[in-house]
Amino acid sequence: AQSVTQPDIHITVSEGASLELRCNYSYGATPYLFWYVQSPGQGLQLLLKYFSGDTLVQGIKGFEAEFKRSQSSFNLRKPSVHWSDAAEYFCAVSGFGNEKLTFGTGTRLTIIP
Amino acid sequence: SAVISQKPSRDICQRGTSLTIQCQVDSQVTMMFWYRQQPGQSLTLIATANQGSEATYESGFVIDKFPISRPNLTFSTLTVSNMSPEDSSIYLCSVREGTGGGYGYTFGSGTRLTVV
Repeated sequence: AQSVTQPDIHITVSEGASLELRCNYSYGATPYLFWYVQSPGQGLQLLLKYFSGDTLVQGIKGFEAEFKRSQSSFNLRKPSVHWSDAAEYFCAVSGFGNEKLTFGTGTRLTIIP
Repeated sequence: SAVISQKPSRDICQRGTSLTIQCQVDSQVTMMFWYRQQPGQSLTLIATANQGSEATYESGFVIDKFPISRPNLTFSTLTVSNMSPEDSSIYLCSVREGTGGGYGYTFGSGTRLTVV
């Protein structure tokens, strides 16, 4: 069975500081990996996705993520956070021939001035 | 990407009643899904809505409680039946677009349901 672990329930960073959100997955074949953001009262927005190729993926809003097969990880990074980045972030996994998208438990990001 | 219109955006319902949530997509899509997000929790897949056949439910979800219709490739409904306060959640519709190694999932804005 596929699963996603986001070890950090809540992270607080200062505005302008760098950010890394952790994601570990379990999947029996080649995974397809996604990061979504959910702002308060909003739907889910896709930040980036990885299917194959370059393991460093660039997304919207200045986010990037790196796929590390040896560590079963797909961590999300941003060099300098803005107050508007405060939201809930979800990592998710599916795979070839598998229609289901499985989500992690999410990481709530708080930005302090 | 597809644009999803989900209605209603929120509702407050009495226990024991039912609510039907609609999901309209602006393009034809093969794969449609319904998720539940309980307060402060992640998203859990309820079922895959199959066009022209019965939905495929995940473990812990049953058709009698969450009947789903999918009459065509652009529309689906989810009914939450005989509601209890434990059904208070956000319900989201999702579609998968693209094929092979380039697909993505788009989500509706959700229906925030409160059962009193």
